[in-house]
Amino acid sequence: GQNIDQPTEMTATEGAIVQINCTYQTSGFNGLFWYQQHAGEAPTFLSYNVLDGLEEKGRFSSFLSRSKGYSYLLLKELQMKDSASYLCAVRDRYSNSGYALNFGKGTSLLVTP
Amino acid sequence: GAVVSQHPSRVICKSGTSVKIECRSLDFQATTMFWYRQFPKQSLMLMATSNEGSKATYEQGVEKDKFLINHASLTLSTLTVTSAHPEDSSFYICSARVNRENTIYFGEGSWLTVV
Repeated sequence: GQNIDQPTEMTATEGAIVQINCTYQTSGFNGLFWYQQHAGEAPTFLSYNVLDGLEEKGRFSSFLSRSKGYSYLLLKELQMKDSASYLCAVRDRYSNSGYALNFGKGTSLLVTP
Repeated sequence: GAVVSQHPSRVICKSGTSVKIECRSLDFQATTMFWYRQFPKQSLMLMATSNEGSKATYEQGVEKDKFLINHASLTLSTLTVTSAHPEDSSFYICSARVNRENTIYFGEGSWLTVV
């Protein structure tokens, strides 16, 4: 199984930078994903990391350290519309279905003016 | 990006009846699709993996006779909630893996309310 931990809630100011951390434990790590989910909607894909390092995509960046079982999602130039839940998900090649994602409980981010 | 469509988006059914939710990959073939359930303010819980042309793989604790999954083609998987009870009321989301890629895309989700 997997333990995926991320903070429950975070608050940040519009225009600022926020970092959402995720730690995980898995026997057959095969990729880490970040998704954004607005209330009542399906998750939308943000990023994918399988090798150590930083992946940058516009205002969003994601970092992975496999040896530490650690990832973070960095959001720059925060906008009000970034208020949402951010889900960290890990894929384990030894799970029942090697491609399925197992999700953390999500971090609810509130962006304030 | 790839598009995954789910239908219906909202459904209300009476206790004891069955309801079917469809998940379609619109512009790609998906050998594998996944079904999740999400209760309010909780994370997505994997229910089962749907494989085209073969039986679904269910996660521990998910009743396969209650949640029937059929993946009859490379673009369509269906989840049927049989003999629905109020506690089955939830947000059901499907996702599909693009063949030979790592990205997994989600459908819009289906709100099921059992009264």
